[in-house]
Amino acid sequence: AQKVTQAQTEISVVEKEDVTLDCVYETRDTTYYLFWYKQPPSGELVFLIRRNSFDEQNEISGRYSWNFQKSTSSFNFTITASQVVDSAVYFCALSAGSSNTGKLIFGQGTTLQVKP
Amino acid sequence: GAGVSQSPSNKVTEKGKDVELRCDPISGHTALYWYRQSLGQGLEFLIYFQGNSAPDKSGLPSDRFSAERTGGSVSTLTIQRTQQEDSAVYLCASSLDDLDSYNSPLHFGNGTRLTVT
Repeated sequence: AQKVTQAQTEISVVEKEDVTLDCVYETRDTTYYLFWYKQPPSGELVFLIRRNSFDEQNEISGRYSWNFQKSTSSFNFTITASQVVDSAVYFCALSAGSSNTGKLIFGQGTTLQVKP
Repeated sequence: GAGVSQSPSNKVTEKGKDVELRCDPISGHTALYWYRQSLGQGLEFLIYFQGNSAPDKSGLPSDRFSAERTGGSVSTLTIQRTQQEDSAVYLCASSLDDLDSYNSPLHFGNGTRLTVT
């Protein structure tokens, strides 16, 4: 079975705090892709990052960083020095198998509220 | 360039009526997907088109749901005899579908909010 679990339903932080969004996945496939998407109040899902199962190197992009650990089946997302504009729903997603990367299994999402 | 375009942005329909939702993917993207986002079920995959291949319909919840993609571009999702549980945001996405390309991740439209009364 394939599954993505985002245990944190809602997180509230004050601006400039660091915040980590957790994502745990399940799959029996050895080839898979992990994603994070952001959904601001406007509703459009915005792609943030894709990671394949063979690349465990952590990634940093500005204030965003991702920690991929196969040993714990986790792909956590950290926002450093959060800003009000980071307020959104964040989805972790999994695409398993080699057929394509677009048939995604999404977690339930984590609503992040950053207060000024 | 233009992103994925969906129309209408909002649709209110009476139970039992048929509805059609339209999606214009990003030019040059060969893969097109429909997803549904609802409060109870989260984000669910519905159907996938890739070039001239037979679509992957494995996510369609019932035979009342169908989709077409004409000319490898525009897609229409049709829901027949709508039910209240069909109320959701229907999201379309496209991608180059190239596993080696950083452009292959999905690019989503703003969705169509469907309300069945």
